Amino acid sequence: EVQLVESGGGLVQPGGSLKLSCAASGFIFSDSAIHWVRQTSATGREWVGRVRMKTKNYATAYAESVKGRFTISRDDSKNTAFLQMSSLTTEDTAVYYCARHVEGSGRYFEYWGQGTPVTVSS
Amino acid sequence: DIVMTQSPLSLPVSPGEPASISCRSSQSLLHSNGYTYLEWYLQKPGQSPQLLIYLASSRAAGVPDRFSGSGSGIDFTLKINTVEAEDVGIYYCMQTLQVPLTFGGGTKVEIK
Repeated sequence: EVQLVESGGGLVQPGGSLKLSCAASGFIFSDSAIHWVRQTSATGREWVGRVRMKTKNYATAYAESVKGRFTISRDDSKNTAFLQMSSLTTEDTAVYYCARHVEGSGRYFEYWGQGTPVTVSS
Repeated sequence: DIVMTQSPLSLPVSPGEPASISCRSSQSLLHSNGYTYLEWYLQKPGQSPQLLIYLASSRAAGVPDRFSGSGSGIDFTLKINTVEAEDVGIYYCMQTLQVPLTFGGGTKVEIK
């Protein structure tokens, strides 16, 4: 069974940091690009960023709104991806999802996690 | 960034009736490789998103054939031939042509 399980969400004060994890099973993690997407009821869905696989040099890309504050990484030996978030603001409050992205002639998000909520508040 | 504009915002539909959702991108989603990188997803209440359509018109594995995608360039449509009660949720389009990947605002489909 394919699973992506996010963890690490919670309440953090503005200016604080938080590290989310995305644990994968049921597919070849090392061959997968992993993306992070966040969702709020007010602003809808926003792509946060991604880390590609080893054959693509683990290339990362980020949304402008998080560039310089968020870092995406992965540990293929643990089938886990990470989203390190720092200098958090209330605008970063959202449910954060990780997803496996199929790359090739077809591109799409094949699997999604259940999401982990992040609340930035004093 | 590519802006995705989706309509309508809300779509009440009676069971057995058809439904149609539109999505327009601010620039063509046609890649130089000939593929068009537009997907449709459905997020049912309390669930994670699920892929319905990729490459604008290819139905994902396990998706009922009452769902179809069409369009090219900048204009795309998702159609449900006959809506069933289990089809309620938020539908949204997404472009994966280039980063940042961007989403439409979503269409909430509900049963009348």
